[in-house]
Amino acid sequence: EAGVAQSPRYKIIEKRQSVAFWCNPISGHATLYWYQQILGQGPKLLIQFQNNGVVDDSQLPKDRFSAERLKGVDSTLKIQPAKLEDSAVYLCASSLTGEVNYGYTFGSGTRLTVV
Amino acid sequence: QQPVQSPQAVILREGEDAVINCSSSKALYSVHWYRQKHGEAPVFLMILLKGGEQKGHDKISASFNEKKQQSSLYLTASQLSYSGTYFCGTDQTGANNLFFGTGTRLTVIP
Repeated sequence: EAGVAQSPRYKIIEKRQSVAFWCNPISGHATLYWYQQILGQGPKLLIQFQNNGVVDDSQLPKDRFSAERLKGVDSTLKIQPAKLEDSAVYLCASSLTGEVNYGYTFGSGTRLTVV
Repeated sequence: QQPVQSPQAVILREGEDAVINCSSSKALYSVHWYRQKHGEAPVFLMILLKGGEQKGHDKISASFNEKKQQSSLYLTASQLSYSGTYFCGTDQTGANNLFFGTGTRLTVIP
């Protein structure tokens, strides 16, 4: 099966600029996640969608970050304006949804550098 | 809320065994284990659900002690391909969203 697709792979922007990332999950995976991974750390959840509804966005810095999954399939994550501390890899993951928990399939990520 | 992993790093020779521990201060619904190689995305290894079960995946297995809120990952007869950073992810709400630990860097040398 096709994996989780993300684009772009790399992005360099200046602080205060805006940036958007795109993710297409595995077909049939109702749950989609965006994680932020700062170098040397574990991934940190930003937002979780089930179909096109938000399950958890408690750790999303809503003053600058936004995400949407309009048709319950692909998703975009936007940062506006970017800060230096936003430099990280942004990972999209998807999983099946059911009565039991399922493992994640991660995309290759987008490496963002804010200068 | 972030689980604590130990050790932070370990170096093994091929064929040796290792144990990686993951401990949470919160009650858990499940624990996931992932391996991440340098510059790549994390890869799912296994998930352990409430009930104290133990799972295996080739020569990698894991246990989950629900009462102690701890999980351990066991790597036996390590291979060069086992090198990478191992992360546990803990689900504290049942919604399958995870808090990841800080990782354990495993290096297997010939």
